[in-house]
Amino acid sequence: KAGVTQTPRYLIKTRGQQVTLSCSPISGHRSVSWYQQTPGQGLQFLFEYFSETQRNKGNFPGRFSGRQFSNSRSEMNVSTLELGDSALYLCASSPDRGARTDTQYFGPGTRLTVL
Amino acid sequence: QKEVEQDPGPLSVPEGAIVSLNCTYSNSAFQYFMWYRQYSRKGPELLMYTYSSGNKEDGRFTAQVDKSSKYISLFIRDSQPSDSATYLCAMSGDTGRRALTFGSGTRLQVQP
Repeated sequence: KAGVTQTPRYLIKTRGQQVTLSCSPISGHRSVSWYQQTPGQGLQFLFEYFSETQRNKGNFPGRFSGRQFSNSRSEMNVSTLELGDSALYLCASSPDRGARTDTQYFGPGTRLTVL
Repeated sequence: QKEVEQDPGPLSVPEGAIVSLNCTYSNSAFQYFMWYRQYSRKGPELLMYTYSSGNKEDGRFTAQVDKSSKYISLFIRDSQPSDSATYLCAMSGDTGRRALTFGSGTRLQVQP
């Protein structure tokens, strides 16, 4: 089974621009979560989508948004980029069958650099 | 104070050593506990997953959860140079189960 895929893998933007990142979950997985990883703050939860609805949200400003499509693929968008948004953005998918053994599997990430 | 505390290391051990990695947490609602391994410039890879308290073994890896002490551990037996990576503990509760709270990660270096 193919793993979680994220595109693009690397991205360079300038302050004030906006960016869209894409995530394709493992086949059959219905939940997609997004995380931001920085050297200073570590891995932080952004939001989770399930059945095209945002189910959970972390403590990030409204500039960070996302969506999920009917095929479970997800995108996240960051508007009005700031230097501090430079990070590795990770997507994780989960089957979400309601079993306690369900857990999350991460993609390779998109490394965003804001200049 | 962070909800999950993890010693950042680096931790350097000789090949073949037993490695002990630990995290403490403050949120008593956490029920799901995971260990991820992350190589440089890669995404985290799930190593171990435990629900509630107890031990779980998988090959050279053993995960322990002590909810009464709010303390989780990962043991690596017969460590190999290929185990050199950052190890991240992660946890969540029944509410917001996919919203993982991570430790800061421990860098492990296994010397040949």
